[in-house]
Amino acid sequence: KQEVTQIPAALSVPEGENLVLNCSFTDSAIYNLQWFRQDPGKGLTSLLLIQSSQREQTSGRLNASLDKSSGRSTLYIAASQPGDSATYLCAVRPWGGGADGLTFGKGTHLIIQP
Amino acid sequence: EAGVAQSPRYKIIEKRQSVAFWCNPISGHATLYWYQQILGQGPKLLIQFQNNGVVDDSQLPKDRFSAERLKGVDSTLKIQPAKLEDSAVYLCASSLARSGRASEQYFGPGTRLTVT
Repeated sequence: KQEVTQIPAALSVPEGENLVLNCSFTDSAIYNLQWFRQDPGKGLTSLLLIQSSQREQTSGRLNASLDKSSGRSTLYIAASQPGDSATYLCAVRPWGGGADGLTFGKGTHLIIQP
Repeated sequence: EAGVAQSPRYKIIEKRQSVAFWCNPISGHATLYWYQQILGQGPKLLIQFQNNGVVDDSQLPKDRFSAERLKGVDSTLKIQPAKLEDSAVYLCASSLARSGRASEQYFGPGTRLTVT
């Protein structure tokens, strides 16, 4: 059974810092990995999707890497801003043609101090 | 492009009552998912539909939960009877296809259920 772990569970940093969020998964047979952002009381917003054959994806100040063989992914946020405050969730999709629901970690609650 | 729509946004019921949630996926999206997110946890898949057929319902508590997607578009998720532990946010997601970047899942705003 796939398990996804996110470290740290919570993080508070001053505005302007670069930071790294970590995600690990136990089964390397994944099709892709997605990073999501969740604001309080809201749904999930997809930030980045990395296919299993890729090593990284970038969008603006966000960069996500994937090391499938070691079961790890990182989300790098450059020059953090107060608007980045949210919960960040990592999720993996299994390899295979059948069920492909995502398995999520518990998330990292991020606070950027002005 | 309109996103995934869900209603109601909030619902409060007493235990043993029944409740239903509705989801309208992004137009043209064949795959639809229902997830349950308990406070402080990541979402957990309840059921996956491909068009109007069930692909995976292995984590759906079938003694009290049911879901349908009759015409391959809208879907409803029902709980009957509700228990206190069903208090959670119920998220609906959809994807265009099963492969490549088209497999990216898009989520609705969720329905927050409180069972008292």
